[in-house]
Parts: sequence; structure tokens; C-alpha cells
Amino acid sequence: GNSVTQMEGPVTLSEEAFLTINCTYTATGYPSLFWYVQYPGEGLQLLLKATKADDKGSNKGFEATYRKETTSFHLEKGSVQVSDSAVYFCALTKGGSEKLVFGKGTKLTVNP
Amino acid sequence: DTAVSQTPKYLVTQMGNDKSIKCEQNLGHDTMYWYKQDSKKFLKIMFSYNNKELIINETVPNRFSPKSPDKAHLNLHINSLELGDSAVYFCASSRYRAGTEQFFGPGTRLTVL
Repeated sequence: GNSVTQMEGPVTLSEEAFLTINCTYTATGYPSLFWYVQYPGEGLQLLLKATKADDKGSNKGFEATYRKETTSFHLEKGSVQVSDSAVYFCALTKGGSEKLVFGKGTKLTVNP
Repeated sequence: DTAVSQTPKYLVTQMGNDKSIKCEQNLGHDTMYWYKQDSKKFLKIMFSYNNKELIINETVPNRFSPKSPDKAHLNLHINSLELGDSAVYFCASSRYRAGTEQFFGPGTRLTVL
């Protein structure tokens, strides 16, 4: 079946550090890929998405590129801020089904 | 304006009770979902409705029964609550098209004592 694997957390960084959160997926065909973010005490918000191979999603300084050859969708940000502290979820949907399949989430803490 | 709202935000109840969680969206979407987030933050879909019809029903105990009176509402009723039902339940909505964004509600934290 379809699945998403993302790096285990928690991740703790200092402000202005470089962030990478790894995400790989298993799916037949061409899934759509997402990063969602959950700030403390809130629901999930879409951070970025990519719907086909080699697409790059970007938002708020975060980027991720859909790599079909490595089945990956790693999240990166060049300079994190304290306000980026949250739990980040990689997810996919497979064509025809709108079921989001989530990774286990990675908690990021950014210290001033 | 709140896009996806849930009530209540917190729900504390005893084992064996029956409870409901309500969800409403004002985005004009035709598809709604219920997800369960466990204590380790793992999220898993439970149900999905499209135009008031059930389209996704994961392996969920039949004590859980979703009801969609119209496209804007999807309620979750839980019978005979068990300790393992304690979790945060999220409602979400989207347009029914591959790759579209799902909009999530703020969640309902259910605690079963």
C-alpha cells in the first residue's frame, strides 16, 4: 500500500540555521505530495505541495522538490525562525482517492 | 471567518458513554473527512464523505458512526467509548479533485476516563 516515511524527530535548531526534514514515499504511479504544518494547539495547515515529478513546492521560505527517481520530497529552509517551531507532516494522495496518507511527523524546535 | 469549525474543542467523558463531535465548513467544499491523531501525533484517516455519500471507510470500529446531514456538515458519533478512543479528532474538507488541499479544523481533544 501507499506509505510515507519521514525522519524521526525531534529536531532542535538555533535561529538562522539550515533545515532539512527528509521524506520518502512508497506508492504506485504518480501521487501528489504535500507538507503540512501543525503549530502548537492548532489544526494542520498546508505548507506546500507538488503534483508531478520535478515540481518544486515553495512557501514562507520552505521548499521541497518532487523526486520520482528517489521517491523523495525533502523539506528545506535556508534560515529558520523561532516562529517555525511546529510539527511537520509529509503526506501523499494517490490519484482517484483523496485519502491523505501521512508520515509520523517531525517536531521542530527553533531556539533564539 | 472560520473555514472549518469543530465543537467541542475539548471533551472529557467516562468509559461506556456515547458522545458526538460536530464539524461544519463554510468553504463550499463537497468532500469532508475525519482524521484521528494519537498521542504520538500520528494521523490516520477514518472516514470521508463526498456530497453526503460515504466514500472512504477505513478499518474503524463500528462504534464510530459518521453522519452527513448536508455537504457542509459531517458529524462523528461514538458509542460505548473506550480508553483507547482518547485522541485528537480532526475534521477536514476539500474539493473532490486529485491533489487538492485539505483544510483542517482546530481539532477536538477527546479524553476517556
